[in-house]
This record gives sequence, structure tokens and C-alpha cells, in this order.
Amino acid sequence: GAGVSQSPSNKVTEKGKDVELRCDPISGHTALYWYRQRLGQGLEFLIYFQGNSAPDKSGLPSDRFSAERTGESVSTLTIQRTQQEDSAVYLCASSLIAATGETQYFGPGTRLLVL
Amino acid sequence: TQLLEQSPQFLSIQEGENLTVYCNSSSVFSSLQWYRQEPGEGPVLLVTVVTGGEVKKLKRLTFQFGDARKDSSLHITAAQPGDTGLYLCAGASQGAQKLVFGQGTRLTINP
Repeated sequence: GAGVSQSPSNKVTEKGKDVELRCDPISGHTALYWYRQRLGQGLEFLIYFQGNSAPDKSGLPSDRFSAERTGESVSTLTIQRTQQEDSAVYLCASSLIAATGETQYFGPGTRLLVL
Repeated sequence: TQLLEQSPQFLSIQEGENLTVYCNSSSVFSSLQWYRQEPGEGPVLLVTVVTGGEVKKLKRLTFQFGDARKDSSLHITAAQPGDTGLYLCAGASQGAQKLVFGQGTRLTINP
């Protein structure tokens, strides 16, 4: 596609429910990144994929968070038993390769609100 | 833990004025990027600086990477209302693929 797309755009859920966020990277981009952005804050790294493997998942806040990528394309970020502190914008980015300083192209994000 | 501190966090000025935003760290970065983010959208890359002391210009925007590659600045000349947005700096360390972001500077240019 022309750019990184994410779905849903907005998600409102109740505390304790599971949510799945989807990211479609730019076609041909082998690297994919997930970030979290709390209101008025910068971006917080969660995990990145090179192909379908996740060499660095150090930013995942707890074992309630998991992510997978299939076909070196679509990725899903799953949050189990959501908590109110999970409320944030979840941003996905992709780059041609996973290399230091490589340009990352961001999607519009999924706004998650946990009530 | 690597941290990037941006200042100021909020800046509201009149059209035509000049401004500088700072991004500081105690860590060395192999490259530093500046992004601009509009409401409801993801960040968009403005520039990447790689060499200590490097200066890059993008129309009215001037970006500088510190000699020691620990800090950077963004200077805007004759600010326009269209410059309004959230400006983020992000650093990349050698061998690491993730970006470390500052908390952002929310800039408002009043007509």
C-alpha cells in the first residue's frame, strides 16, 4: 500500500477485556515496529520485527502484551486483560530494513481507551 | 536507560518570530532524527543528522547535531501558523534498531 495502515482507528473497551490491534506495513518493508504514546508524551518503544522474528521485545510492559507478525507483512499487537493504564495511542512503523538510523514510516495509530 | 530531554515542552509564539527547541541527553547517539506530528496522525520524519556538528536546513528549519552527538537543536526562522504541531526528537544507538524519543515540544504559532 501507499503507507502504513492501522486498524481500528479507535477502540473503547472495558477493563479486563482483551484487544487486538492490527498493522499493515508498507509493502516490501522487512522491519516493523510498535510504539506506545501516552497523552502529551513522546513515543515509547514496545517491540520490533525483522521479518517474522522479534529480536527486541524489551519494551513490552508486561506479559499481558504480545505481538506477532506473519508472512513478513501484517502484525497484530494483543493486550490481554486490559487495564486503564493501557489507554494510549499505539503506533506502528515500518522500514525497508532494520538498521540503525533507517527511516521509519509511521501509521496514524490506534487510540485505545480502557474504561 | 537512555533518555532524551526536550525543552521547552510547550511554546506559543506569534507568527514571524524565531524559536529554538532543544533535545539533550547524557548518552551518545549514532544518529538523531526530528519528527513532526499533527493531531490524529503518526509522526513524520523531518531530518536525520548523523555526524557530530552537522547542520541541515529544510527551508526555514535548521537542525544541528552537537559535536559530541549527545544533543541537537531545531531552529525555526519566521515561524508560520503552518508550523504548529508536536515536534519530537528521536535517537538511535549504534547496533540498536529501536528509537528513543523525547517527550516532545508542542508548538503553537499564533497568526
